[in-house]
Amino acid sequence: AQKVTQAQTEISVVEKEDVTLDCVYETRDTTYYLFWYKQPPSGELVFLIRRNSFDEQNEISGRYSWNFQKSTSSFNFTITASQVVDSAVYFCALSEANNFNKFYFGSGTKLNVKP
Amino acid sequence: DAGITQSPRYKITETGRQVTLMCHQTWSHSYMFWYRQDLGHGLRLIYYSAAADITDKGEVPDGYVVSRSKTENFPLTLESATRSQTSVYFCASSEPTGGGQETQYFGPGTRLLVL
Repeated sequence: AQKVTQAQTEISVVEKEDVTLDCVYETRDTTYYLFWYKQPPSGELVFLIRRNSFDEQNEISGRYSWNFQKSTSSFNFTITASQVVDSAVYFCALSEANNFNKFYFGSGTKLNVKP
Repeated sequence: DAGITQSPRYKITETGRQVTLMCHQTWSHSYMFWYRQDLGHGLRLIYYSAAADITDKGEVPDGYVVSRSKTENFPLTLESATRSQTSVYFCASSEPTGGGQETQYFGPGTRLLVL
């Protein structure tokens, strides 16, 4: 079974629409981190956010917000008022305290924001 | 410049040749990683290193060799390149905490084409 599942392979929206990227994870650890990375068309991987398992507060950073729900093992990412520059592949990732050497990536969601 | 760098950024080689991809980080992070990114497979871990002179296999290590004589460098060698090793290679580094891996910061990637 996959540790991190991003069921949405590709999403297309029109500029200014809100969009939510889903991430579901699986772990037996009580201590873990969750991450989101952005990979724009230029190819680099850009860190967006890290969340530890003890902090379920939602986070907002400008147009970006993250909803962490341990009850559903989800860490969803919402972009409000999307812009063309948000077009990228977004990866969710998990690291576990008891599996120190591994970093599990989801398969990514490609977001296309059309003008 | 501070951060994590990879060289070369682009490489074309022929089947059977040895190729070395370089990775250098300036943060003195303990952990370093090599991933390959292929369409349909997302990011897959090749090798990682927990410290200088400590390396271990990841998910797809066959055909690759790593070394880490200095904390800041983590070269990846393809001993005898094959077409199936055509990919984008990312190096990353991180510093672990008691709760798991800290954020992994990625280099810009090396695009390798094996003819």
